[in-house]
Amino acid sequence: DAGVIQSPRHEVTEMGQEVTLRCKPISGHNSLFWYRQTMMRGLELLIYFNNNVPIDDSGMPEDRFSAKMPNASFSTLKIQPSEPRDSAVYFCASSPLGKADTQYFGPGTRLTVL
Amino acid sequence: DAKTTQPTSMDCAEGRAANLPCNHSTISGNEYVYWYRQIHSQGPQYIIHGLKNNETNEMASLIITEDRKSSTLILPHATLRDTAVYYCIVRALRDSGYALNFGKGTSLLVTP
Repeated sequence: DAGVIQSPRHEVTEMGQEVTLRCKPISGHNSLFWYRQTMMRGLELLIYFNNNVPIDDSGMPEDRFSAKMPNASFSTLKIQPSEPRDSAVYFCASSPLGKADTQYFGPGTRLTVL
Repeated sequence: DAKTTQPTSMDCAEGRAANLPCNHSTISGNEYVYWYRQIHSQGPQYIIHGLKNNETNEMASLIITEDRKSSTLILPHATLRDTAVYYCIVRALRDSGYALNFGKGTSLLVTP
């Protein structure tokens, strides 16, 4: 099993640019989560999906952030336009049906907005 | 979710048992105790969870007090690779996905 796959692993961009982060969950998992981690705020949940449907997006900071899950094997988190305060490590996680308490995290994408 | 309290940091000598405490005095009857850890520059990793009985797996043991107001994660023979931030999370079990509130956790340093 390849685990949760995220790309890119590192992204450096300039303020105002669009950023797209990608995630491939573990095959067969039906829940997908996007988290953000900073030194100041720790790990924060941004949004999560069950069976490709967004369930709770209350953690999405503002309208500049959007997330999609077009199918069970792919999700994107987009920031448009990006700002320096968006700099963080973004993690994607997935969990299997019936074991929602066990979340498997990807390696993360380190985003730097200059 | 019940609030949890963990020490900010702990040290442990390599080869010794690491005992990480967690206080959750407001835990409800249907809430489980979960432990995750995050090694530097990696994503969080699930370790173990339990309701009221002690649990053991290949990674660790979880001891929950009889009144369920506190618990201890035990790494029986700590190695340098166990240096990480350990998160204690209390949450009701559900079938579908939901958020985990990681809090600040305990930073464990395993020394040679």
